[in-house]
Amino acid sequence: AQKITQTQPGMFVQEKEAVTLDCTYDTSDPSYGLFWYKQPSSGEMIFLIYQGSYDQQNATEGRYSLNFQKARKSANLVISASQLGDSAMYFCAMRPPISSGNTGKLIFGQGTTLQVKP
Amino acid sequence: DAGVTQSPTHLIKTRGQHVTLRCSPISGHKSVSWYQQVLGQGPQFIFQYYEKEERGRGNFPDRFSARQFPNYSSELNVNALLLGDSALYLCASSLVGEGRETQYFGPGTRLLVL
Repeated sequence: AQKITQTQPGMFVQEKEAVTLDCTYDTSDPSYGLFWYKQPSSGEMIFLIYQGSYDQQNATEGRYSLNFQKARKSANLVISASQLGDSAMYFCAMRPPISSGNTGKLIFGQGTTLQVKP
Repeated sequence: DAGVTQSPTHLIKTRGQHVTLRCSPISGHKSVSWYQQVLGQGPQFIFQYYEKEERGRGNFPDRFSARQFPNYSSELNVNALLLGDSALYLCASSLVGEGRETQYFGPGTRLLVL
């Protein structure tokens, strides 16, 4: 079964510094997708970045980049130049492989709460 | 363009009652997925619907049901509410619900069961 593990319940970062949020995953299938979402206190899940298992390059979206290490099954999110508005809960999620027949489902980790200090 | 909308935003029910939650996907999106997020945890997948057909179901009891309408909006129904059903219910939409597609989430419905 697929599983996502986020081992950092809470993180602090100083404004304008970079921070790395850890995510490891478990799957035996070679085809899968990895997502990061941000959830502010309002509750809405905001899509940040996507990495496909066959993508050759690490994904980047503005200040967000994904450090994808396939052999180690890790997909860490790097936020550069942190801003106060980055304070939120961050979730790593995996889409199961096509072979599972259940690709409309995301499997989420427990999340990491990030607080940006001024 | 409007994002995913959900109604109501908040709801208070008592044990044993029934609840219906509603979701309107982004225009052009045909797939809708429902998730339950208990406080302090990540969302758990409940259902996916595509073209009015159930495409996937998570590990939830039969008290949970859903349907999708011809305009691709969706309803989640929960019967015989339990205290443990108190959670944030999230709806997500995508074009067809597979491959590299991103699921876009609505603001959620906060359900409190007393």
